[in-house]
Amino acid sequence: KAGVTQTPRYLIKTRGQQVTLSCSPISGHRSVSWYQQTPGQGLQFLFEYFSETQRNKGNFPGRFSGRQFSNSRSEMNVSTLELGDSALYLCASSSLRRNTGELFFGEGSRLTVL
Amino acid sequence: GENVGLHLPTLSVQEGDNSIINCAYSNSASDYFIWYKQESGKGPQFIIDIRSNMDKRQGQRVTVLLNKTVKHLSLQIAATQPGDSAVYFCAENSVNNAGNMLTFGGGTRLMVKP
Repeated sequence: KAGVTQTPRYLIKTRGQQVTLSCSPISGHRSVSWYQQTPGQGLQFLFEYFSETQRNKGNFPGRFSGRQFSNSRSEMNVSTLELGDSALYLCASSSLRRNTGELFFGEGSRLTVL
Repeated sequence: GENVGLHLPTLSVQEGDNSIINCAYSNSASDYFIWYKQESGKGPQFIIDIRSNMDKRQGQRVTVLLNKTVKHLSLQIAATQPGDSAVYFCAENSVNNAGNMLTFGGGTRLMVKP
């Protein structure tokens, strides 16, 4: 069974631009979560989708948004990029409606904002 | 990796010794506690979880201990191997969450000396 796939793996943007990151969960998994990982703040929850509905949202500005499609694939978008948005963005999927905490993470999309 | 430059607590152990990684949590409402392992260049990987109504759970070479009185969680790795070298994160999932919204700790770097 293929794991969680994230694209692109690496990307470089400049301030003010916007970016879209994609995540394909493990087949059959309907919950998709997004996390931001930085050296300074560690791993921080962005949002979670289940069956195309956003169930939880972390404490990030409205520039960060996401969506989930009917096939469970998910995208997140960051508009008006700032230098501080440089991070590893991790997607994780789960098969359960409410998980105990066992998430399957992808390898992440590393975003650099110049 | 994403943790380069971050001043993570580091635990250095000799191959074959046992390792104990500690974590303090703050949310009394958390009902699941989880340990993740992150190797350089990869996403976090689930190791083991424990529910709040338990105080000990064992897996293959790993044991998680939960002390709710002092809000402390620990991960014990028996017979530590070079492949155990990674950053270890504790995480918690609150009963108040509709789905999956993990709060991660800052991480501990485990270095195994051959």
